[in-house]
Amino acid sequence: DSGVTQTPKHLITATGQRVTLRCSPRSGDLSVYWYQQSLDQGLQFLIQYYNGEERAKGNILERFSAQQFPDLHSELNLSSLELGDSALYFCASSPGGGGLFFGEGSRLTVL
Amino acid sequence: AQSVAQPEDQVNVAEGNPLTVKCTYSVSGNPYLFWYVQYPNRGLQFLLKYITGDNLVKGSYGFEAEFNKSQTSFHLKKPSALVSDSALYFCAVRDGIKGTYKYIFGTGTRLKVLA
Repeated sequence: DSGVTQTPKHLITATGQRVTLRCSPRSGDLSVYWYQQSLDQGLQFLIQYYNGEERAKGNILERFSAQQFPDLHSELNLSSLELGDSALYFCASSPGGGGLFFGEGSRLTVL
Repeated sequence: AQSVAQPEDQVNVAEGNPLTVKCTYSVSGNPYLFWYVQYPNRGLQFLLKYITGDNLVKGSYGFEAEFNKSQTSFHLKKPSALVSDSALYFCAVRDGIKGTYKYIFGTGTRLKVLA
């Protein structure tokens, strides 16, 4: 158990809909990262937050947004969903620069 | 920008034989390198990291990695493979400065250990 909690584990929705994925980092970790893993694209970095502030951005679509709250949990919002957004979405937290601790992921299926 | 490459999509090895999963890196400055393992339908688990120091890094589950600066490689190794080692392995490099670190992952190598 990495100590990072993600909900929901599975989510099935329709095209055009909006979903929110939630992540609770390990106790004491200030940084939260979001990654997307799909079959043909590997593990893609989306965005990073540090103590409530956005610090780094990767290949995140404009339809996607994220935030980190004062209690350090984070949410990833995906809107106007398309079939190609079906993927595993991982959250990870970090105590500093020494690596990431991943949650079990949220599997999103868009029909 | 920093990057890593995993040249093999899949590696097959017989149980009990040594295994190597390859990773090469491209960085400016000192590299901070990591290996992760992913079992089916699970998150990535940290195996080991190289920050500085000894070129041979020991990690979890009997894995080790050898940092080679001249060859810009960071190959993952294990002396004797187990069937339970079958999984997807990712090499990663840290990019950015303090507070804005990004972790860039390779495309992954599927390890299959045959009984």
